[in-house]
Amino acid sequence: QKEVEQNSGPLSVPEGAIASLNCTYSDRGSQSFFWYRQYSGKSPELIMSIYSNGDKEDGRFTAQLNKASQYVSLLIRDSQPSDSATYLCAVEDYGQNFVFGPGTRLSVLP
Amino acid sequence: GAGVSQSPSNKVTEKGKDVELRCDPISGHTALYWYRQRLGQGLEFLIYFQGNSAPDKSGLPSDRFSAERTGESVSTLTIQRTQQEDSAVYLCASTPLTGNTIYFGEGSWLTVV
Repeated sequence: QKEVEQNSGPLSVPEGAIASLNCTYSDRGSQSFFWYRQYSGKSPELIMSIYSNGDKEDGRFTAQLNKASQYVSLLIRDSQPSDSATYLCAVEDYGQNFVFGPGTRLSVLP
Repeated sequence: GAGVSQSPSNKVTEKGKDVELRCDPISGHTALYWYRQRLGQGLEFLIYFQGNSAPDKSGLPSDRFSAERTGESVSTLTIQRTQQEDSAVYLCASTPLTGNTIYFGEGSWLTVV
């Protein structure tokens, strides 16, 4: 059973701080990795995708991938209250099979 | 259409009744997924269609659940003899053949009373 694990949270950070969200996956053959944000009562929306080891930055968001450790993370710099949501880690195996983690609830305190 | 479209957006049904949920994927997207998300829970994979290949039904929780898709168009998820534990939001998503970004619809919120 391929698994994606995340701390369920809630993770609380003060406004302006860096929020660090972590994800581990079980299948070493996984190819692509994604972070989705889901506001309460809404559907998930894509924030970042990452395919190779290292860091990928997009605005206040940085995704980090370490395939050897089977670990992917998302850093949110200068966190805002509007970043408060559940963040879902997703891993794609061969054949467009996506496996989602349970999500980490982030709360940014004003 | 511009995005994944799902209907109905909300459905309240009596226990034991059958329901049909519809998903219209993004035009040109070959892969279509159904997920279930119970309140406060993560995404639960139900079924995956890729073009004309046999669907991956490994996530369907019971034989009360079935889904169909004709070619690369609309899909229907059917739940027979609904139970209260079926109450959840049912999310449909699609991806293009050559891409690997999954796009979600707004979901169909099902309440079984």
